[in-house]
Amino acid sequence: DAGVTQSPTHLIKTRGQHVTLRCSPISGHKSVSWYQQVLGQGPQFIFQYYEKEERGRGNFPDRFSARQFPNYSSELNVNALLLGDSALYLCASSRTPQGTTYFGPGTRLLVL
Amino acid sequence: AQRVTQPEKLLSVFKGAPVELKCNYSYSGSPELFWYVQYSRQRLQLLLRHISRESIKGFTADLNKGETSFHLKKPFAQEEDSAMYYCALSGGFGNEKLTFGTGTRLTIIP
Repeated sequence: DAGVTQSPTHLIKTRGQHVTLRCSPISGHKSVSWYQQVLGQGPQFIFQYYEKEERGRGNFPDRFSARQFPNYSSELNVNALLLGDSALYLCASSRTPQGTTYFGPGTRLLVL
Repeated sequence: AQRVTQPEKLLSVFKGAPVELKCNYSYSGSPELFWYVQYSRQRLQLLLRHISRESIKGFTADLNKGETSFHLKKPFAQEEDSAMYYCALSGGFGNEKLTFGTGTRLTIIP
C-alpha cells in the first residue's frame, strides 16, 4: 500500500488565486482530515470528513472548503489566496474518526 | 479550548544518554494523548498513543493527569532517534481532531 497520497507535491500561486489540493486515503479508510502546517509550527486542524460528511471544522475562514467523494478521496479548496496561506498542507486518513491517523507527505503551497 | 505546549524547540543529547521530551496539555475533559515523529525526508508518523501503553523504539510516555503532562522518555538515546517530535491531543469521540504542539527537534550527538 502506498499510504496516503497527495497531489500536487508543490504549488506556486499568486495572491487572489484559487487552489485545489487532492488527497487519496489508504484503501479501506473512510475518514480524511486536512491540516495546515506553517513553518516552525505544528500542524493545525482544518477539516475532518467521514463517510462524505463534514465531521469537524477548525478555526479557518470560509475561504477554505473541502469535500469527500464516494471513493473517500478528498479535495481541499482555498479561494482568494493570501500570502499567509503559504504552508504545507497535510492530508491524513484513518479507518474511522477514532482510528490511528496516517499522514500523507503534504502539498507545499507558496503564495506570492 | 485545547492546547499542547512543548517548551523546548531544540534538544541535543549524547548517544547513550537518557532522553526526555516535555509535553504539557490543557483540556477540560479526558483527552487522548499522542506522540508523532517526523524523521528527515519522511512523513509524519505516529510513535505512540497513551491508551496503548506500548513502548515503541524504546520510547515510553506516561499520562500524568495531575500535572497535565505527557512527557516522552527513552533511557538510552540512539543516533537514529534524531528527528522532529510532536505531542498531540485529541478530545475523543466527537472531537477527534488532533491539536499539535510546536514540536521539539531532537539531535543525538554521536
